[in-house]
Amino acid sequence: SYELTQPPSVSVSPGQTASITCSGDKLGNKYASWYQQKPGQSPLLVIYQDTKRPSGIPERFSGSNSGNTATLTISGTQAIDEADYYCQAWDSTTAVFGGGTQLTVL
Amino acid sequence: QVQLQESGPGLVKPSETLSLTCTVSGGSISSYYWSWIRQPPGKGLEWLGYIYYSGSGSTNYNPSLKSRITISVDTSKNQFSLKVNFVTAADTAVYYCARAHTAADPFDAFGVWGQGTMVTVSS
Repeated sequence: SYELTQPPSVSVSPGQTASITCSGDKLGNKYASWYQQKPGQSPLLVIYQDTKRPSGIPERFSGSNSGNTATLTISGTQAIDEADYYCQAWDSTTAVFGGGTQLTVL
Repeated sequence: QVQLQESGPGLVKPSETLSLTCTVSGGSISSYYWSWIRQPPGKGLEWLGYIYYSGSGSTNYNPSLKSRITISVDTSKNQFSLKVNFVTAADTAVYYCARAHTAADPFDAFGVWGQGTMVTVSS
């Protein structure tokens, strides 16, 4: 079965740029999506179709996808961005999620 | 603004059937793909399957659970439902219902989520 691999944790200082990677075989040939999940809350879509932001998502969130790696970039990271982040893609007809990355802003 | 609300028992006995319903408000259940996704305590997300209604309901299930799950739709109530048979402790999780971000795209991102409901499998 298809797997998406994320680093368990990423740390960033306030105001700096955070990058969270998601790796999978030929992931660049698929669309990647990214979700933010804060404790006790439902996931929130922040990036879809590799690079698009849903309405209401700040411009500091951006995405890219090429080769075997998709990347979520948060520019000018704020304390409110501290959360778990999950990547997701479709492998044929099955939705697959990465294991999640805990972003710490310190 | 469409909203989703999960409902159902919070406790299910091993070997029995888990049944949940997702009520859709603020929009029609037609023309979108509706999914169930679960998250075991402290763990990641797992997609279970989706249903699409356009005259009749078509479904697609995660192969890892295909033999145990059924997703159905009740258009008169603007609801869709999940059943998981023969549950074990491994089925203990928060269960979310979700809608695709874009209408009529089966392989889209999950743009709208319910608040989730915790289901514990225990005797």
